Amino acid sequence: DVKVTQSSRYLVKRTGEKVFLECVQDMDHENMFWYRQDPGLGLRLIYFSYDVKMKEKGDIPEGYSVSREKKERFSLILESASTNQTSMYLCASAGGAGRYEQYFGPGTRLTVT
Amino acid sequence: GENVEQHPSTLSVQEGDSAVIKCTYSDSASNYFPWYKQELGKGPQLIIDIRSNVGEKKDQRIAVTLNKTAKHFSLHITETQPEDSAVYFCAASSSGYSTLTFGKGTMLLVSP
Repeated sequence: DVKVTQSSRYLVKRTGEKVFLECVQDMDHENMFWYRQDPGLGLRLIYFSYDVKMKEKGDIPEGYSVSREKKERFSLILESASTNQTSMYLCASAGGAGRYEQYFGPGTRLTVT
Repeated sequence: GENVEQHPSTLSVQEGDSAVIKCTYSDSASNYFPWYKQELGKGPQLIIDIRSNVGEKKDQRIAVTLNKTAKHFSLHITETQPEDSAVYFCAASSSGYSTLTFGKGTMLLVSP
């Protein structure tokens, strides 16, 4: 079974702090994704990566950056957290080109105060 | 880009009834349509998917149908059980990078 793990289930940070969310997958998948989930808005893609050191912006990249130094690990970075970034963050992974099945981690609920 | 609309936003049924959730998509190039179930406190889990060269797919009590001409697809759950209560998301493939565009979700409540 594919396993996607996220470093924290719950996180509370202060406005202006730098926040790192980590995601690790164990299936040697090429593609990894970061989404945020808000009530009534569904899942919105922040960034994705299709290879080590490669990244592409999703639909809502403003205020976020990402890092993929190793194939199994994909990090989401909030350079200066703001209250409107309070949300559930979900990481997912998928196999290579043409393999669309995405497997999700359990999510990190981030609260910025 | 792709746009996916999902209806209804909430659906309440009695145990044993059927439930149907519908989605429409905008990009005729989309060729992969998964459905995810998200239980409280968990990440979304893939429950069934369909590709554009297939019109219907079944897996026990769940089925998905696809109408490419009308650009809509539906999830059908028969003989619903309380453990089917969850939020369901549809999605459509968006690009060669295996990205998905998700609908806004349907909260399904199955009452005993």
